Amino acid sequence: GAVVSQHPSWVICKSGTSVKIECRSLDFQATTMFWYRQFPKQSLMLMATSNEGSKATYEQGVEKDKFLINHASLTLSTLTVTSAHPEDSSFYICSAERRAGTEAFFGQGTRLTVV
Amino acid sequence: KQEVTQIPAALSVPEGENLVLNCSFTDSAIYNLQWFRQDPGKGLTSLLLIQSSQREQTSGRLNASLDKSSGRSTLYIAASQPGDSATYLCAVKNSGYALNFGKGTSLLVTP
Repeated sequence: GAVVSQHPSWVICKSGTSVKIECRSLDFQATTMFWYRQFPKQSLMLMATSNEGSKATYEQGVEKDKFLINHASLTLSTLTVTSAHPEDSSFYICSAERRAGTEAFFGQGTRLTVV
Repeated sequence: KQEVTQIPAALSVPEGENLVLNCSFTDSAIYNLQWFRQDPGKGLTSLLLIQSSQREQTSGRLNASLDKSSGRSTLYIAASQPGDSATYLCAVKNSGYALNFGKGTSLLVTP
């Protein structure tokens, strides 16, 4: 299977600061990557679709100015949580596909804790 | 909007039992369906991918079936082992979109 690497695996930050999470497809190019969020005991909820070279598409209820997504290359998408607050504490995970509609591969996830 | 439901929410079985996890979805116009395993605090491991034109997929002790018309999929685990303990997630893709996930089945296999 393909490899998607996500970094960091965990981060603790102070309220009001920003945190950047990276998602890399290591052995394939991905024109589209997806960012999900998972709260404790809940399933994964799509936050946004990251498109290489264009603006991300955000799901309803997700603040685009708070969760900045950049997909600058075919192998890298970043999610920046700006002015983080304790309620942003969650598990963030990205996925990528070799081609649209094929098997989705997920990163290891990032556990964000805002104190 | 696609809704994915997984039953049961939790399951505890003794080692060696065969078991079935269920997944249902409301919109049968799917592109594919994927089963994942998630260990506590970890990411997702893809187990099986079933394309919309397929009826089942097998990998080792795992077998997943798909009945698109009725909006159902099952994951069959044979001869369960304690190492199978994890949360199993069912996810459905409609063409051009991201995966829609169920809430998962938390499985505990006791020695």
